[in-house]
Amino acid sequence: NAGVTQTPKFQVLKTGQSMTLQCAQDMNHEYMSWYRQDPGMGLRLIHYSVGAGITDQGEVPNGYNVSRSTTEDFPLRLLSAAPSQTSVYFCASSFGGNTIYFGEGSWLTVV
Amino acid sequence: KNQVEQSPQSLIILEGKNCTLQCNYTVSPFSNLRWYKQDTGRGPVSLTIMTFSENTKSNGRYTATLDADTKQSSLHITASQLSDSASYICVVSHSGGSNYKLTFGKGTLLTVNP
Repeated sequence: NAGVTQTPKFQVLKTGQSMTLQCAQDMNHEYMSWYRQDPGMGLRLIHYSVGAGITDQGEVPNGYNVSRSTTEDFPLRLLSAAPSQTSVYFCASSFGGNTIYFGEGSWLTVV
Repeated sequence: KNQVEQSPQSLIILEGKNCTLQCNYTVSPFSNLRWYKQDTGRGPVSLTIMTFSENTKSNGRYTATLDADTKQSSLHITASQLSDSASYICVVSHSGGSNYKLTFGKGTLLTVNP
């Protein structure tokens, strides 16, 4: 049971480049989400999904896109990276209002 | 505005000692309160979840308390170990407990020294 798997662990991008952070869970959780964690701030919700084919915006969605074609996968796309998107990104999944399981994080630097 | 305030920001204790971390919240409507442990360079890991009707919940050497009247929670760590060094995050869920209505605290950074 792998839980929540994120890739890549580390990435350096140039301003304007695009990339996709991958997230997969093997717990058949309906709910998946993406957060970013910045120094001195609590985790902030970027986008979330309550099931395959259903996504919605969180607190800080600008500059990011998501899709949920399967229950297992929830990729986060940066269309045109900006230095303000330098952060640590966490994918999470859960079933109902129960325990949220987080991935190990993806460290992104935009130069 | 929904807010979660944690104190202290950081704490240093000696191995074997006890400590208590605080969490005050102004979240409405309240559904549940969670404590997470986040090791450096890792993702947060759940310690406890407490609903409105629960005053205390334990997970090994971790004991969380909740006072819904004063909107305060505490996390007590007993007989600390070096492996307890981490950031502890208080998270409050609102609006029916759905996992997309969460407010995160900034965390308390605990360092346990030998």
